[in-house]
Amino acid sequence: DTGVSQDPRHKITKRGQNVTFRCDPISEHNRLYWYRQTLGQGPEFLTYFQNEAQLEKSRLLSDRFSAERPKGSFSTLEIQRTEQGDSAMYLCASSLKGPGDFGPGTRLLVL
Amino acid sequence: RKEVEQDPGPFNVPEGATVAFNCTYSNSASQSFFWYRQDCRKEPKLLMSVYSSGNEDGRFTAQLNRASQYISLLIRDSKLSDSATYLCVVNIGQNFVFGPGTRLSVLP
Repeated sequence: DTGVSQDPRHKITKRGQNVTFRCDPISEHNRLYWYRQTLGQGPEFLTYFQNEAQLEKSRLLSDRFSAERPKGSFSTLEIQRTEQGDSAMYLCASSLKGPGDFGPGTRLLVL
Repeated sequence: RKEVEQDPGPFNVPEGATVAFNCTYSNSASQSFFWYRQDCRKEPKLLMSVYSSGNEDGRFTAQLNRASQYISLLIRDSKLSDSATYLCVVNIGQNFVFGPGTRLSVLP
């Protein structure tokens, strides 16, 4: 196992388009987190799965954001009707406990 | 008050110096504490967990003060390769809140 992977690594899109990111966690990890990070800030929690159950979502997560982890393995994060303020690094982390191991992130630029 | 606060720095120190970072947290119910390191344009990586009695890993020492709600990270004999942003992490329930990070530059 080579760790957490994320795809794509970079995404440029136009405002109003939908985007979807994928995260493949470390296989034995039951917890999966999505974070967003902007320049000069620490990662900001978005949502958390334990196996396939989405247990918590940040109040900051608007209705345009949705995440799934259908079989308790990989996860997807979709942003609908992207806005320029969505431009950020989207990080996925997986763990058995603790904040865990991060993937390399997907850098999103909304034009 | 923010949930987790850190001095943003930057801390510019010469090689071999000892440097300490503090982090304060607002939720007295927090039980799990960590330090992560993040290199420029890379993902955060776990540096060490922070235990109640304090713990050491080589040149790195972490301390927890529950009464004052802060944790600290001490780096001794700093190396050029220690240059990075150090992120304090605290649990809020089952979630983890990251501080904004403290940037360290170790200079030759």
